[in-house]
Amino acid sequence: DAKTTQPPSMDCAEGRAANLPCNHSTISGNEYVYWYRQIHSQGPQYIIHGLKNNETNEMASLIITEDRKSSTLILPHATLRDTAVYYCIVPNYGQNFVFGPGTRLSVLP
Amino acid sequence: GAGVSQSPSNKVTEKGKDVELRCDPISGHTALYWYRQSLGQGLEFLIYFQGNSAPDKSGLPSDRFSAERTGGSVSTLTIQRTQQEDSAVYLCASSSQTGRGGELFFGEGSRLTVL
Repeated sequence: DAKTTQPPSMDCAEGRAANLPCNHSTISGNEYVYWYRQIHSQGPQYIIHGLKNNETNEMASLIITEDRKSSTLILPHATLRDTAVYYCIVPNYGQNFVFGPGTRLSVLP
Repeated sequence: GAGVSQSPSNKVTEKGKDVELRCDPISGHTALYWYRQSLGQGLEFLIYFQGNSAPDKSGLPSDRFSAERTGGSVSTLTIQRTQQEDSAVYLCASSSQTGRGGELFFGEGSRLTVL
């Protein structure tokens, strides 16, 4: 897998946007960027993925830089229920998903 | 079923016993993964099956761990001669297509406690 680097932890005020960065400088042209999150005691939950273009769904937006060496997951209006560990993953095609330590996001009231 | 199903949801065993954990992936998903998560720790990759290819066993921590996937569907993770450090939640995930836009769908996990 292309190596990803994320900050170990972040805080965000409730109702504000949470911007979670991820560096993946060794990404190759056909590799996707995936984001998952894990809320305490639950299995990981898929959030969003993208290749080159920015993506948006009901949960979040994914902004990928033009050189694809980094991306940012945006939760537009964070709630207390968004407190979780967020994982950025770049799996090689046909290879496995390896989860790093992720970013522990704490949404504060 | 609609999602990934794992059984048992909870297993308590004595040190030295063998255990089997089962994963029933989403129908039609060609990729299947096993992870484990110890208390307060991140997800540790164990093994990955993709179609008829040889599985990637690079994450199995010792030869006491093995897994098989019969008929490209159900998978069983076997832990022989369990040790207390094997206590963890064992998570299974499946995907229709890896690396090219396929997302992982996780089961609820099997919590193993070795006394």
